[in-house]
Amino acid sequence: DVKVTQSSRYLVKRTGEKVFLECVQDMDHENMFWYRQDPGLGLRLIYFSYDVKMKEKGDIPEGYSVSREKKERFSLILESASTNQTSMYLCASSFPLSTDGGEKLFFGSGTQLSVL
Amino acid sequence: DAKTTQPNSMESNEEEPVHLPCNHSTISGTDYIHWYLQLPSQGPEYVIHGLTSNVNNRMASLAIAEDRKSSTLILHRATLRDAAVYYCILSGGTSYGKLTFGQGTILTVHP
Repeated sequence: DVKVTQSSRYLVKRTGEKVFLECVQDMDHENMFWYRQDPGLGLRLIYFSYDVKMKEKGDIPEGYSVSREKKERFSLILESASTNQTSMYLCASSFPLSTDGGEKLFFGSGTQLSVL
Repeated sequence: DAKTTQPNSMESNEEEPVHLPCNHSTISGTDYIHWYLQLPSQGPEYVIHGLTSNVNNRMASLAIAEDRKSSTLILHRATLRDAAVYYCILSGGTSYGKLTFGQGTILTVHP
């Protein structure tokens, strides 16, 4: 089975701290994603990466950066955490369903980040 | 991006079939219809996907209207473990797998 592992299930940080959220996948997938999920707003895409050292902004990249130095690892960085970044963060990786059928995403269990 | 419309919530009784509808009137010819579910405190999980023909797998069936403007996810016999949020999503082409999740349908299953 594909496994997407997020380093922490719960995390509490202070405003202004630099925060690293780590994600590792074990299936050699090309694409990886970071989403955040908030009540009433659903899942929103922050960043994604389609190859090592490649990254693309999603719908809400402000206040975040990412790093993909190795294929299996995709890190989300909050340069200076703020209270409005308190959220559930979900990492995913994907592989193609067919040549044009889109991708099948595998999600981790999420990291609930609280910024105080 | 083409959007989908789903009911906010639905209820079912255990062991009864469940039909979860999704409208996608602006679907393009290259869009596949994907369904994901999300259990409490878990990340979303792939359920099924299709293009034009109805699809079956071990989890569910997907019925797609002939004009492709709507689809229905069918759970043949609901169990308590099927209680989750179900998302209907359009994706395909060179989107690199980016999925736009809507609010989904909260399915409640009664014993």
